Amino acid sequence: SAVISQKPSRDICQRGTSLTIQCQVDSQVTMMFWYRQQPGQSLTLIATANQGSEATYESGFVIDKFPISRPNLTFSTLTVSNMSPEDSSIYLCSAYTPRTGGPEQFFGPGTRLTVL
Amino acid sequence: RKEVEQDPGPFNVPEGATVAFNCTYSNSASQSFFWYRQDCRKEPKLLMSVYSSGNEDGRFTAQLNRASQYISLLIRDSKLSDSATYLCVVTPSSSASKIIFGSGTRLSIRP
Repeated sequence: SAVISQKPSRDICQRGTSLTIQCQVDSQVTMMFWYRQQPGQSLTLIATANQGSEATYESGFVIDKFPISRPNLTFSTLTVSNMSPEDSSIYLCSAYTPRTGGPEQFFGPGTRLTVL
Repeated sequence: RKEVEQDPGPFNVPEGATVAFNCTYSNSASQSFFWYRQDCRKEPKLLMSVYSSGNEDGRFTAQLNRASQYISLLIRDSKLSDSATYLCVVTPSSSASKIIFGSGTRLSIRP
């Protein structure tokens, strides 16, 4: 299994500012993902963080708003740029490790973001 | 139509009861299926994989029906600690590393 930590665990930010969330995995993993989960909703995939190259974004998410870095196989960052109250959500980092029977994804504890 | 659909619940059952819920998926070529559990204000964690032959883990039984494109989760002798949201997860065949989450089924076990 993989243990994932995220920083910060929560933050309250002002409209128009940016926040960078860090994700650290305790072992090398093939892929890392960033999800958003709004209250009472399921997880929405923002992007796949690719090591050494640009992230792959899902429909509705763009690099200018959610720049992502992944400099190595154990670390990634997600920035929420020019924040608005609609960005208030829980942001979850996830890591994928292949195993027999299919992929299992492990999740970080999440970053709870509130934008005022 | 959503790729993965679940009854959001909530299912409110007494302790000791048996409860089951289903999840349907739209892509007939989907390869892998899982149930994740998410406790309130916590991250999702893998509960069990779902195999074609069905599988059982203690009080939990998962089944896959490819013909009807649904998976199920059965919980026997439910405990208070089973209260959580159960997420159905499907891996599309086009990308084994990208998984699709259902919206989750809330389960509440009462004493």
